[in-house]
Amino acid sequence: AQSVAQPEDQVNVAEGNPLTVKCTYSVSGNPYLFWYVQYPNRGLQFLLKYITGDNLVKGSYGFEAEFNKSQTSFHLKKPSALVSDSALYFCAVSFTGGGNKLTFGTGTQLKVEL
Amino acid sequence: ETGVTQSPTHLIKTRGQQVTLRCSSQSGHNTVSWYQQALGQGPQFIFQYYREEENGRGNFPPRFSGLQFPNYSSELNVNALELDDSALYLCASSLRVGGRTDTQYFGPGTRLTVL
Repeated sequence: AQSVAQPEDQVNVAEGNPLTVKCTYSVSGNPYLFWYVQYPNRGLQFLLKYITGDNLVKGSYGFEAEFNKSQTSFHLKKPSALVSDSALYFCAVSFTGGGNKLTFGTGTQLKVEL
Repeated sequence: ETGVTQSPTHLIKTRGQQVTLRCSSQSGHNTVSWYQQALGQGPQFIFQYYREEENGRGNFPPRFSGLQFPNYSSELNVNALELDDSALYLCASSLRVGGRTDTQYFGPGTRLTVL
Protein backbone atom coordinates (compact mmCIF):
# COMPACT_ATOMS: atom_id res chain seq x y z
CA ALA A 1 0.00 0.00 0.00
CA GLN A 2 1.10 3.54 -0.57
CA SER A 3 0.40 6.57 1.60
CA VAL A 4 1.29 10.24 1.93
CA ALA A 5 1.31 12.40 5.03
CA GLN A 6 1.20 16.18 5.09
CA PRO A 7 1.53 16.93 8.80
CA GLU A 8 0.52 20.59 8.64
CA ASP A 9 -3.01 21.63 7.74
CA GLN A 10 -1.87 25.22 7.34
CA VAL A 11 1.42 27.08 6.94
CA ASN A 12 1.66 30.82 7.42
CA VAL A 13 4.63 32.80 6.13
CA ALA A 14 5.42 36.45 5.50
CA GLU A 15 5.99 37.60 1.94
CA GLY A 16 9.67 37.51 1.06
CA ASN A 17 10.46 34.82 3.61
CA PRO A 18 11.34 31.24 2.64
CA LEU A 19 8.59 28.65 2.79
CA THR A 20 8.53 24.91 3.38
CA VAL A 21 5.56 22.58 2.99
CA LYS A 22 6.25 19.14 4.41
CA CYS A 23 5.48 15.73 2.92
CA THR A 24 6.42 12.20 3.90
CA TYR A 25 5.50 9.05 2.03
CA SER A 26 5.35 5.28 2.23
CA VAL A 27 5.50 2.96 -0.80
CA SER A 28 6.56 -0.61 -1.44
CA GLY A 29 8.72 0.16 -4.49
CA ASN A 30 10.67 3.06 -5.94
CA PRO A 31 8.59 6.20 -5.46
CA TYR A 32 7.45 8.71 -8.01
CA LEU A 33 6.68 11.93 -6.12
CA PHE A 34 4.65 14.94 -7.20
CA TRP A 35 3.52 18.32 -5.95
CA TYR A 36 0.32 19.94 -7.17
CA VAL A 37 -1.29 23.25 -6.27
CA GLN A 38 -5.01 23.99 -6.16
CA TYR A 39 -6.54 27.45 -6.24
CA PRO A 40 -10.15 27.96 -5.07
CA ASN A 41 -12.73 26.24 -7.27
CA ARG A 42 -10.03 25.03 -9.65
CA GLY A 43 -8.44 21.74 -10.59
CA LEU A 44 -4.93 20.68 -9.66
CA GLN A 45 -1.96 22.36 -11.28
CA PHE A 46 1.29 20.38 -11.63
CA LEU A 47 4.34 21.99 -9.96
CA LEU A 48 7.13 19.43 -10.05
CA LYS A 49 8.03 15.75 -9.83
CA TYR A 50 10.78 13.39 -8.75
CA ILE A 51 11.22 10.20 -10.74
CA THR A 52 14.94 9.49 -10.51
CA GLY A 53 18.25 11.34 -10.57
CA ASP A 54 19.12 14.49 -8.64
CA ASN A 55 17.49 14.71 -5.25
CA LEU A 56 16.80 18.43 -5.69
CA VAL A 57 14.03 19.01 -8.19
CA LYS A 58 13.17 22.42 -9.60
CA GLY A 59 9.68 23.21 -10.82
CA SER A 60 7.31 25.96 -11.84
CA TYR A 61 7.10 29.46 -10.27
CA GLY A 62 10.38 29.16 -8.36
CA PHE A 63 9.35 26.10 -6.34
CA GLU A 64 11.71 23.24 -5.63
CA ALA A 65 11.59 20.04 -3.64
CA GLU A 66 14.18 17.78 -2.10
CA PHE A 67 13.85 14.01 -2.19
CA ASN A 68 15.26 12.35 0.93
CA LYS A 69 15.14 8.58 0.68
CA SER A 70 16.34 7.86 4.22
CA GLN A 71 13.68 10.11 5.74
CA THR A 72 11.08 9.21 3.08
CA SER A 73 10.36 12.90 2.64
CA PHE A 74 9.73 15.23 -0.29
CA HIS A 75 9.36 18.73 1.16
CA LEU A 76 8.34 21.62 -1.07
CA LYS A 77 10.36 24.81 -0.76
CA LYS A 78 10.61 28.31 -2.16
CA PRO A 79 13.31 30.83 -1.22
CA SER A 80 11.04 33.88 -1.24
CA ALA A 81 7.26 33.57 -0.85
CA LEU A 82 4.74 35.71 -2.72
CA VAL A 83 1.19 36.56 -1.68
CA SER A 84 0.07 34.93 -4.94
CA ASP A 85 1.53 31.62 -3.71
CA SER A 86 -1.35 31.38 -1.23
CA ALA A 87 -3.22 28.21 -2.18
CA LEU A 88 -3.78 24.55 -1.25
CA TYR A 89 -0.79 22.30 -1.89
CA PHE A 90 -0.96 18.54 -2.37
CA CYS A 91 1.82 15.99 -2.30
CA ALA A 92 1.19 12.76 -4.22
CA VAL A 93 3.00 9.46 -4.74
CA SER A 94 2.90 6.54 -7.11
CA PHE A 95 5.49 3.81 -7.50
CA THR A 96 7.01 1.35 -9.93
CA GLY A 97 4.46 -1.36 -10.58
CA GLY A 98 1.72 0.74 -9.03
CA GLY A 99 -0.08 1.37 -12.29
CA ASN A 100 0.36 5.13 -12.09
CA LYS A 101 -2.38 5.48 -9.47
CA LEU A 102 -1.68 8.68 -7.54
CA THR A 103 -2.20 8.68 -3.79
CA PHE A 104 -2.59 12.18 -2.39
CA GLY A 105 -2.01 13.70 1.01
CA THR A 106 -4.74 15.69 2.73
CA GLY A 107 -3.29 19.00 1.58
CA THR A 108 -1.62 21.98 3.23
CA GLN A 109 -3.14 25.44 3.03
CA LEU A 110 -0.38 27.98 2.46
CA LYS A 111 -1.10 31.55 3.49
CA VAL A 112 1.43 34.23 2.57
CA GLU A 113 0.85 37.54 4.29
CA LEU A 114 2.20 41.00 3.58
CA GLU B 1 -3.94 25.75 -18.64
CA THR B 2 -3.46 22.02 -19.22
CA GLY B 3 -5.72 21.47 -22.23
CA VAL B 4 -7.83 18.99 -20.25
CA THR B 5 -11.48 19.99 -20.31
CA GLN B 6 -14.42 18.70 -18.29
CA SER B 7 -18.15 19.15 -18.57
CA PRO B 8 -20.37 20.17 -17.02
CA THR B 9 -18.80 22.59 -14.54
CA HIS B 10 -21.50 22.14 -11.94
CA LEU B 11 -24.30 19.62 -11.56
CA ILE B 12 -27.11 19.13 -9.06
CA LYS B 13 -28.83 15.75 -8.78
CA THR B 14 -31.11 14.05 -6.31
CA ARG B 15 -30.43 10.83 -4.45
CA GLY B 16 -31.00 7.73 -6.58
CA GLN B 17 -30.44 9.46 -9.92
CA GLN B 18 -27.69 8.70 -12.41
CA VAL B 19 -25.04 11.11 -13.71
CA THR B 20 -22.51 11.20 -16.56
CA LEU B 21 -19.43 13.40 -16.42
CA ARG B 22 -17.23 14.04 -19.45
CA CYS B 23 -13.54 14.67 -19.99
CA SER B 24 -11.46 15.57 -23.02
CA SER B 25 -7.81 14.71 -22.62
CA GLN B 26 -4.83 16.84 -23.57
CA SER B 27 -3.66 16.46 -27.16
CA GLY B 28 -1.16 13.59 -27.47
CA HIS B 29 -2.26 11.87 -24.26
CA ASN B 30 -3.66 8.32 -24.29
CA THR B 31 -4.54 7.67 -20.65
CA VAL B 32 -7.31 9.13 -18.50
CA SER B 33 -7.68 8.86 -14.73
CA TRP B 34 -10.61 9.93 -12.59
CA TYR B 35 -10.45 11.17 -9.01
CA GLN B 36 -13.05 12.15 -6.41
CA GLN B 37 -12.21 15.06 -4.11
CA ALA B 38 -14.59 15.45 -1.18
CA LEU B 39 -14.66 18.78 0.62
CA GLY B 40 -11.53 19.33 2.69
CA GLN B 41 -9.82 16.17 1.48
CA GLY B 42 -7.25 15.12 -1.06
CA PRO B 43 -8.31 13.52 -4.34
CA GLN B 44 -9.08 9.80 -4.21
CA PHE B 45 -8.33 7.57 -7.22
CA ILE B 46 -11.46 6.08 -8.83
CA PHE B 47 -10.06 4.36 -11.94
CA GLN B 48 -7.85 4.75 -14.97
CA TYR B 49 -8.48 4.03 -18.65
CA TYR B 50 -5.90 3.13 -21.27
CA ARG B 51 -6.70 1.93 -24.79
CA GLU B 52 -10.40 2.00 -23.97
CA GLU B 53 -10.04 -0.48 -21.11
CA GLU B 54 -10.06 -0.03 -17.35
CA ASN B 55 -6.49 -0.19 -16.14
CA GLY B 56 -6.66 -0.01 -12.36
CA ARG B 57 -9.43 0.83 -9.92
CA GLY B 58 -9.56 2.37 -6.48
CA ASN B 59 -11.84 1.51 -3.60
CA PHE B 60 -15.10 2.56 -5.26
CA PRO B 61 -18.24 0.43 -5.73
CA PRO B 62 -19.35 -0.90 -9.15
CA ARG B 63 -21.96 1.84 -9.50
CA PHE B 64 -18.98 4.00 -10.50
CA SER B 65 -18.17 3.06 -14.09
CA GLY B 66 -16.40 4.62 -17.02
CA LEU B 67 -15.64 4.62 -20.69
CA GLN B 68 -12.79 5.74 -22.86
CA PHE B 69 -13.38 6.51 -26.51
CA PRO B 70 -11.05 6.07 -29.53
CA ASN B 71 -10.17 9.78 -29.38
CA TYR B 72 -9.07 9.18 -25.73
CA SER B 73 -11.88 11.25 -24.24
CA SER B 74 -13.67 9.66 -21.31
CA GLU B 75 -16.89 9.47 -19.32
CA LEU B 76 -17.52 8.77 -15.67
CA ASN B 77 -20.93 7.33 -14.85
CA VAL B 78 -22.36 7.10 -11.36
CA ASN B 79 -25.59 5.19 -10.76
CA ALA B 80 -27.90 5.30 -7.75
CA LEU B 81 -26.42 8.53 -6.44
CA GLU B 82 -25.91 8.87 -2.69
CA LEU B 83 -25.48 12.01 -0.63
CA ASP B 84 -21.82 11.11 -0.02
CA ASP B 85 -21.16 11.24 -3.77
CA SER B 86 -21.24 15.04 -3.51
CA ALA B 87 -17.70 16.07 -4.43
CA LEU B 88 -15.42 17.61 -7.03
CA TYR B 89 -14.70 15.04 -9.74
CA LEU B 90 -11.34 15.50 -11.41
CA CYS B 91 -10.15 14.05 -14.66
CA ALA B 92 -6.43 13.75 -15.42
CA SER B 93 -4.79 12.88 -18.70
CA SER B 94 -1.31 11.50 -19.25
CA LEU B 95 0.86 9.74 -21.82
CA ARG B 96 1.67 6.09 -21.32
CA VAL B 97 4.64 4.74 -23.24
CA GLY B 98 5.49 1.10 -22.75
CA GLY B 99 4.81 0.22 -19.14
CA ARG B 100 5.27 3.68 -17.70
CA THR B 101 2.91 6.64 -17.49
CA ASP B 102 4.13 10.21 -17.30
CA THR B 103 2.81 13.16 -15.30
CA GLN B 104 -0.95 13.46 -14.90
CA TYR B 105 -2.43 16.82 -15.89
CA PHE B 106 -5.76 17.72 -14.37
CA GLY B 107 -8.85 19.40 -15.71
CA PRO B 108 -10.83 22.01 -13.77
CA GLY B 109 -13.25 19.45 -12.38
CA THR B 110 -17.00 18.96 -12.17
CA ARG B 111 -18.69 19.92 -8.91
CA LEU B 112 -21.47 17.40 -8.21
CA THR B 113 -24.05 18.12 -5.53
CA VAL B 114 -26.46 15.34 -4.52
CA LEU B 115 -29.57 16.46 -2.65
